[in-house]
Amino acid sequence: GAGVSQSPRYKVAKRGQDVALRCDPISGHVSLFWYQQALGQGPEFLTYFQNEAQLDKSGLPSDRFFAERPEGSVSTLKIQRTQQEDSAVYLCASSHRTGWDGYTFGSGTRLTVV
Amino acid sequence: GNSVTQMEGPVTLSEEAFLTINCTYTATGYPSLFWYVQYPGEGLQLLLKATKADDKGSNKGFEATYRKETTSFHLEKGSVQVSDSAVYFCALSGGYNKLIFGAGTRLAVHP
Repeated sequence: GAGVSQSPRYKVAKRGQDVALRCDPISGHVSLFWYQQALGQGPEFLTYFQNEAQLDKSGLPSDRFFAERPEGSVSTLKIQRTQQEDSAVYLCASSHRTGWDGYTFGSGTRLTVV
Repeated sequence: GNSVTQMEGPVTLSEEAFLTINCTYTATGYPSLFWYVQYPGEGLQLLLKATKADDKGSNKGFEATYRKETTSFHLEKGSVQVSDSAVYFCALSGGYNKLIFGAGTRLAVHP
C-alpha cells in the first residue's frame, strides 16, 4: 500500500482483557518498529524486526507484551491482561532498508484500558 | 544512555514570527539526528535529518544544524504560518536504527 496501515484505529479494552494490534508496513520494507506513545510524551521504542527476525525487544515493558512478524510483512503486537498503564497510542513504522534514513510511521492505534 | 531534551511548550507565535525550538542530546558514538512533526489527527512525519556533525537538514523552510560541540540540533524557521501548528519531536538514532525521541514541543501559530 501507499503507507503504513494500522488497525484498529481505536480500541477500548476492559482491564484484564487481551488485545491484538495489527500493522501492515509498506510493501517490501525490511525493517519494522513498534513504539508506545503515552499522552503528552514522545514515542518510546518497544521492539524491532528485520524481516521476520525480532532483533531487539528491549523496550517491551513486561512479559505481557508480545510481538510477531511471522512472514516478514504484517506484524501483530499483543498485550495480555491489559492494565490501565497500557493506555497509549501504539505506533508502527517501517523502512525499506536498515540504513539511517528515518522511516514511515502509521497513524497509530489508540488503546484505552478502562 | 542516549537521551534527547527539548524545550517545553507550548510555543505560541504570531504568523510570520521567527521560530526556534531547542533540542540537545546525550549520546555515545555519532548518531543521526531528526526532527519529526505530528499534525493534529495525523501520524508522525519526518521533517528533516542530519547524519553527521555540521550537516544542515532543511525542508519546508525549516532547518537545523547538527552541532557536535554543543550537542544540539535546534529547529528554526524564519517565518511561521498557521499551518505549521503541530507538535515537533527531536530524535536521535540508536542501535538497530531505533529512534529515541524527546517529549515533543507543541507549536501554536495565530493569524
